[in-house]
Amino acid sequence: KQEVTQIPAALSVPEGENLVLNCSFTDSAIYNLQWFRQDPGKGLTSLLLIQSSQREQTSGRLNASLDKSSGRSTLYIAASQPGDSATYLCAVRPSGSRLTFGEGTQLTVNP
Amino acid sequence: EAGVTQFPSHSVIEKGQTVTLRCDPISGHDNLYWYRRVMGKEIKFLLHFVKESKQDESGMPNNRFLAERTGGTYSTLKVQPAELEDSGVYFCASRPTGVRYGYTFGSGTRLTVV
Repeated sequence: KQEVTQIPAALSVPEGENLVLNCSFTDSAIYNLQWFRQDPGKGLTSLLLIQSSQREQTSGRLNASLDKSSGRSTLYIAASQPGDSATYLCAVRPSGSRLTFGEGTQLTVNP
Repeated sequence: EAGVTQFPSHSVIEKGQTVTLRCDPISGHDNLYWYRRVMGKEIKFLLHFVKESKQDESGMPNNRFLAERTGGTYSTLKVQPAELEDSGVYFCASRPTGVRYGYTFGSGTRLTVV
C-alpha cells in the first residue's frame, strides 16, 4: 500500500528566504508525482507535475525534484513571499489512476 | 478553458438528511474523480469514472454514498442519510486519458453535518 509522508507538517519563515518542502513515498512504482497548493477554504491548485522518467520540473520560483528510486521529492521555493503562504500537498500516482496524498505542509511566510 | 466546477461550495445539513454534491469536469476529460478530506486527515480517494462508467469505487466508505455520472458529463455524489462523520471537504477532479496528464481539481464542497 502506497503511503506518502510530508515533512515538516508546518513551517514558518521570514520573507525572502529560500525553503525546501519534503515528500517521501513508500512504493517507487509510480507514473508521476504532482505538487499542489491549497489556500484556506479553496481548492487545490496544481503547481508542478513530474513524470516518473523526469528528475525535476521548474515553474518560476518553484523547482520540484524527483528521486523515484529512493522514494523522495522536494519542492524548492526561492525568495519566498507572503503570498506563498498556503498548504502544499504532494500526491503520487501509482499504477492505476488514483492519487495518494500526503497530509501537507502548512507554510507561513512572514513579512 | 473553464476549470472543474463544484457546487454548492458549502452545505450544512442535519444528521439523517440527504445532500447531493455536483461536479462539472473540464469538457473533454473522460476521467472524473471524487476525493474527500476529513478534519485532520489526508485527502483520500473515493471513486473514479471513465466517461459514464465507474472504473474504481473502492474508496467509497459505505452504501450511504452514491455517485453517478450522467452521459459521461457532470457527476453527482449523494449522501443519504448523512452522518456526523461525513463532514469534510469533497473534491472533484478531472483528467484527460493518458499517463502523462495531471489532475485538475475543483474548489471543493465543504459539507458540515450537525
